[in-house]
Amino acid sequence: DAGVIQSPRHEVTEMGQEVTLRCKPISGHDYLFWYRQTMMRGLELLIYFNNNVPIDDSGMPEDRFSAKMPNASFSTLKIQPSEPRDSAVYFCASSVALRAVSSEQYFGPGTRLTVT
Amino acid sequence: KNEVEQSPQNLTAQEGEFITINCSYSVGISALHWLQQHPGGGIVSLFMLSSGKKKHGRLIATINIQEKHSSLHITASHPRDSAVYICAVRSNGGATNKLIFGTGTLLAVQP
Repeated sequence: DAGVIQSPRHEVTEMGQEVTLRCKPISGHDYLFWYRQTMMRGLELLIYFNNNVPIDDSGMPEDRFSAKMPNASFSTLKIQPSEPRDSAVYFCASSVALRAVSSEQYFGPGTRLTVT
Repeated sequence: KNEVEQSPQNLTAQEGEFITINCSYSVGISALHWLQQHPGGGIVSLFMLSSGKKKHGRLIATINIQEKHSSLHITASHPRDSAVYICAVRSNGGATNKLIFGTGTLLAVQP
């Protein structure tokens, strides 16, 4: 398996523009997570899905952020409108069943977002 | 106070030294993860443990549930071990799979 795939790897955009980040989880994984990493706050969970359904979005910073998972192999994280403080590395991760012994999370390479 | 605390925040070691990174947490957990993030940014899961001790190569992870403490040890450290090591816990409060992260320990191993 190719692992978790994220695109784009780098994104530079101007303030006010819409940004869409994409993630393809590992086939067969039924959990998908979106994280944000900044120097100030480290890694933070934004939202996670189980079987394509959002379970916990309490980490989504504000209404400008939205995430969807239309099917088991694809998820998007959208920021509209983007602001300079959204600049960060956004990671997607996937895992299998909640209480399975092997429920490690596998991380994608991340998308480095810069909003100018 | 953060729910997951790591120490030290920064660590410089000479090649060959034995290294210990500590993680303390204040919530009830179902599992604890140790992650490694290299300068290029990729994050790799090293260990997931809920009790006792695990070993993989030169890496050893231990956890003491009663004391809410875990340690990551690196034996015979090497410059390629230089990375940020992140402790994360999976809370057992409710049906959740969310991870709570420590702020990481930046390790530099000098040749």
